[in-house]
Amino acid sequence: AQKITQTQPGMFVQEKEAVTLDCTYDTSDQSYGLFWYKQPSSGEMIFLIYQGSYDEQNATEGRYSLNFQKARKSANLVISASQLGDSAMYFCAMRENNYGQNFVFGPGTRLSVLP
Amino acid sequence: DAMVIQNPRYQVTQFGKPVTLSCSQTLNHNVMYWYQQKSSQAPKLLFHYYDKDFNNEADTPDNFQSRRPNTSFCFLDIRSPGLGDAAMYLCATSRLRDTDTQYFGPGTRLTVL
Repeated sequence: AQKITQTQPGMFVQEKEAVTLDCTYDTSDQSYGLFWYKQPSSGEMIFLIYQGSYDEQNATEGRYSLNFQKARKSANLVISASQLGDSAMYFCAMRENNYGQNFVFGPGTRLSVLP
Repeated sequence: DAMVIQNPRYQVTQFGKPVTLSCSQTLNHNVMYWYQQKSSQAPKLLFHYYDKDFNNEADTPDNFQSRRPNTSFCFLDIRSPGLGDAAMYLCATSRLRDTDTQYFGPGTRLTVL
């Protein structure tokens, strides 16, 4: 079974609008970390935001925020005020266990920002 | 600046001709990872090192090998590249806590002729 699900293969958003990229995960661990990465067409994976399983507040980093709903096992990425440079693939990932070494990636969502 | 460096950025090899991709880091991280990524797909973990301890994924073909001679460097060797091995190869590093993200290099795009 997939541990990370991203149900939106592609999304479009108008410039300056907000957009939500969905991510659900599956784990039996109590301690885990959730990450979002951006991958532009150049190929480099860029870390955006992190949410710990014990964090009570949603993480925020500039225009990025993570809508963490632990009971639903959901960790959606919200991008506010979209910019043309936000067009990229976005991957949700999870690191299980305390001191776990492996990251599990979702299949990704391709976001296109329209002028 | 501290970073993860991959060389070369683009590599062309011939079918069956061995090729080595390199990765170096100045972050002094314990863990180094190699991923294979094909177009519009998620990165697929091939193997990783925790210090000198090598961890191979069960479905990584024997054709793929890795070496980590010291903390800073890690190599990916493809012994007999096939057409299906053409992909982006990403190196990443991390410390060993669940709060720590991975830091990725820019990747090496491998073409097999």
